[in-house]
Amino acid sequence: DTGVSQNPRHKITKRGQNVTFRCDPISEHNRLYWYRQTLGQGPEFLTYFQNEAQLEKSRLLSDRFSAERPKGSFSTLEIQRTEQGDSAMYLCASSQTGTGKNEQFFGPGTRLTVL
Amino acid sequence: AQKVTQAQTEISVVEKEDVTLDCVYETRDTTYYLFWYKQPPSGELVFLIRRNSFDEQNEISGRYSWNFQKSTSSFNFTITASQVVDSAVYFCALSEAEAAGNKLTFGGGTRVLVKP
Repeated sequence: DTGVSQNPRHKITKRGQNVTFRCDPISEHNRLYWYRQTLGQGPEFLTYFQNEAQLEKSRLLSDRFSAERPKGSFSTLEIQRTEQGDSAMYLCASSQTGTGKNEQFFGPGTRLTVL
Repeated sequence: AQKVTQAQTEISVVEKEDVTLDCVYETRDTTYYLFWYKQPPSGELVFLIRRNSFDEQNEISGRYSWNFQKSTSSFNFTITASQVVDSAVYFCALSEAEAAGNKLTFGGGTRVLVKP
């Protein structure tokens, strides 16, 4: 059983460029979450999916951010017109409902640096 | 709104000492879940322990133990006989019920440095 994977692990981009990150959850997990972690802080919730449906978006998720989970498998997070304030670690997590455990398992993250 | 506070920003100990990490939380939910995660220098968050709001029994799992007290909204975590490999940032997190999405609210983290 492989864990959650994220690609790329690092991304350096110039301000104003678009970037896209990918997350592959644990295969049997129906929920997928995106979080953002800035240096020295705890992760903050951005959005989550149950299967292919995006059920909630945080106020942190501005109009420049969009996430998809086609077919309820992998997910992508796109940031348009990046700003320096977008520099952070973007973490993906997955979980399975109905187990009573409610544990989320995290991927290694994608570290974004906007120059 | 949910909130998690970890008052200790950094703890430094010598190997084999015990380390206790404090966590205080706020929620209006009657059903919630509390977690501790470890983030080593590699960056990946590793799940350690989970506790349900309706079960205040404290347990020990290997070198880890926790003290959950609803009356004081605290969920403290202890590493017994610390090792150098325990050096990491530890996050306490609070999750709402599954029907509400189980979104995690994290504290600011406590950096633990275990010196040989």
